[in-house]
Amino acid sequence: KAGVTQTPRYLIKTRGQQVTLSCSPISGHRSVSWYQQTPGQGLQFLFEYFSETQRNKGNFPGRFSGRQFSNSRSEMNVSTLELGDSALYLCASSLAASSGNTIYFGEGSWLTVV
Amino acid sequence: AQKITQTQPGMFVQEKEAVTLDCTYDTSDPSYGLFWYKQPSSGEMIFLIYQGSYDQQNATEGRYSLNFQKARKSANLVISASQLGDSAMYFCAMRVRGNNRLAFGKGNQVVVIP
Repeated sequence: KAGVTQTPRYLIKTRGQQVTLSCSPISGHRSVSWYQQTPGQGLQFLFEYFSETQRNKGNFPGRFSGRQFSNSRSEMNVSTLELGDSALYLCASSLAASSGNTIYFGEGSWLTVV
Repeated sequence: AQKITQTQPGMFVQEKEAVTLDCTYDTSDPSYGLFWYKQPSSGEMIFLIYQGSYDQQNATEGRYSLNFQKARKSANLVISASQLGDSAMYFCAMRVRGNNRLAFGKGNQVVVIP
């Protein structure tokens, strides 16, 4: 059974550019969440999508957006990149939001903004 | 709001010994789930073990066990028979009812030495 797949794994962008990261959840999983991990702030929740609808949103500026497609694949976009956006972006998938469902993560996308 | 606390400094562990990683949590919701993840330097977040708040028994998964003390709001991870491949950051996380949003602790660094 394939795990959570994130692409690209590594990327370097320039300030002001925009970036799109992709996540394919485990087959059958309908919930996809995104997290940002930095040395200073640790792991912070960005947003969660379930059946193409954003269900939860963390405390990030509007430059951070996402979407989910009918096949549950998800993308997140960061516009007008800032140096502080350099981070590891992790995607997580789960069957649904119930107490017994395990949440699995992908390998992450390392974003460097220069 | 839920909060996870991991305060141990980095740990050096002798190979084949057991190690306990501390995690305390705070939530007012009686229904919640607790997770432990392992993150090697590659960045991937690897699921280790899950404990539901209503589970009667402590969770175990191979060499991993969770010492769940609900009244004390602690969920310590025990790794038995440490291996060199166990060297990583370990994160405790919590999810409350009907929500896939995880709150993470700051993590514990573990280095296994031969």
